[in-house]
Amino acid sequence: SQQGEEDPQALSIQEGENATMNCSYKTSINNLQWYRQNSGRGLVHLILIRSNEREKHSGRLRVTLDTSKKSSSLLITASRAADTASYFCASAAYGNKLVFGAGTILRVKS
Amino acid sequence: AAGVIQSPRHLIKEKRETATLKCYPIPRHDTVYWYQQGPGQDPQFLISFYEKMQSDKGSIPDRFSAQQFSDYHSELNMSSLELGDSALYFCASSLYLRTDTQYFGPGTRLTVL
Repeated sequence: SQQGEEDPQALSIQEGENATMNCSYKTSINNLQWYRQNSGRGLVHLILIRSNEREKHSGRLRVTLDTSKKSSSLLITASRAADTASYFCASAAYGNKLVFGAGTILRVKS
Repeated sequence: AAGVIQSPRHLIKEKRETATLKCYPIPRHDTVYWYQQGPGQDPQFLISFYEKMQSDKGSIPDRFSAQQFSDYHSELNMSSLELGDSALYFCASSLYLRTDTQYFGPGTRLTVL
C-alpha cells in the first residue's frame, strides 16, 4: 500500500462477536474514511471521521482516530454473516485524493 | 438516490489496444476521481478533476489520459494497453468544499488479454 498498513490482514470470527480493524497512515490528514468492499465489487462508504474528532459512531460501527499516532480503528459490534467483506481505511487531505490502506479481509462465520 | 454510474461494467481488450471508460457523477457533484485496483490490492489514486480542470494527479501512466466535460461526466482513455492494466477502475464523485465523502461507482473491470 502507498499509505500505510491495516491490521490484521485477515480476521475470522463467529457471528455475534465484535471485529476490530486497525489502520495507520503516514501524512497529515483532514479526515479518514472507512469503506467496505464485497468481493470484486464497488466500494461502499461506511463512516468518515475528521481530524479534530476522536471517536464517532454509526449504528454498529465505532471509529476512533488518534492523530498523534496516525492511526484509526474500526469496531463492528455484534457482527453478522453479511458483514463478510474487505474493509479499507482511506485518508484524505482537504478536498483531495483518498490514500487507501491495504485492507482487512473479514469473514464472519454463521 | 442517484449514484455514480460507470460504463461499461466489463471490458475485454487485447494488448496494445485502446479503451475508454466513462463516469457519470452524482447530480450536482463537481469533482471526479479515478482509482485503479489491481487484483488483491488496495485502490490507487490516478487522477481527479474539479470544474473540468485537473485538480490532482497520482500514479497514472503516460499512456492514460482523462478529462471532465461540461456536464461533469469524465472519461478515462487508455492506450497501448498492457497485461498489467487489467484491474478494476473506480470513479468517485464529491461536491468540492461541501462534502468530504467520496461516493464510488460500481467500477469497470478491464481485462487485457
